[in-house]
Amino acid sequence: DAGVIQSPRHEVTEMGQEVTLRCKPISGHNSLFWYRQTMMRGLELLIYFNNNVPIDDSGMPEDRFSAKMPNASFSTLKIQPSEPRDSAVYFCASSRGTSEAFFGQGTRLTVV
Amino acid sequence: AQSVTQPDIHITVSEGASLELRCNYSYGATPYLFWYVQSPGQGLQLLLKYFSGDTLVQGIKGFEAEFKRSQSSFNLRKPSVHWSDAAEYFCAVGDYNTDKLIFGTGTRLQVFP
Repeated sequence: DAGVIQSPRHEVTEMGQEVTLRCKPISGHNSLFWYRQTMMRGLELLIYFNNNVPIDDSGMPEDRFSAKMPNASFSTLKIQPSEPRDSAVYFCASSRGTSEAFFGQGTRLTVV
Repeated sequence: AQSVTQPDIHITVSEGASLELRCNYSYGATPYLFWYVQSPGQGLQLLLKYFSGDTLVQGIKGFEAEFKRSQSSFNLRKPSVHWSDAAEYFCAVGDYNTDKLIFGTGTRLQVFP
């Protein structure tokens, strides 16, 4: 398996634009996590899905953020409109049950 | 709700010295616990995990961690640090009921030659 695949690896966008981050989890994994990493706040859990259903989105900062998982092999995290304070590295991770989570390489988002 | 505390933001050690990184968790039952390492510009890589059984777990790269229920701790140790161990280390706690995985804020390790 190629592991968790995230795209794009880097994204630079202007404030106010819509940004969509994509994630392909490892086949057979039933849990998917979106994390945001910043120097100030560390690694924050934004939302996680179990069997494609959002279980806990309490970490989503505000309504500008939304996430979907239309099927077991794909998830998106959307920010609309984007703001400079959204600049961070966004990680997607997947796991099977209580086993370890495997992380993607991350998407470095810069909002100017 | 589970939570994780890593009290040390930054630790500096000399190459060859021993290392202990602290991790304390809060969880209502027996948790499952992980240590991950992140090199600059990379994703997180699993070092070791604890689910049950032997409270001393061995991981990759010569790391080990000990689960101490009485202290709600899961400290990471290595007897002799190598320069290549310089990275950021994250402790994480999982919830058996929901599979939710929460990370600590991380400890940045710097290794001097």
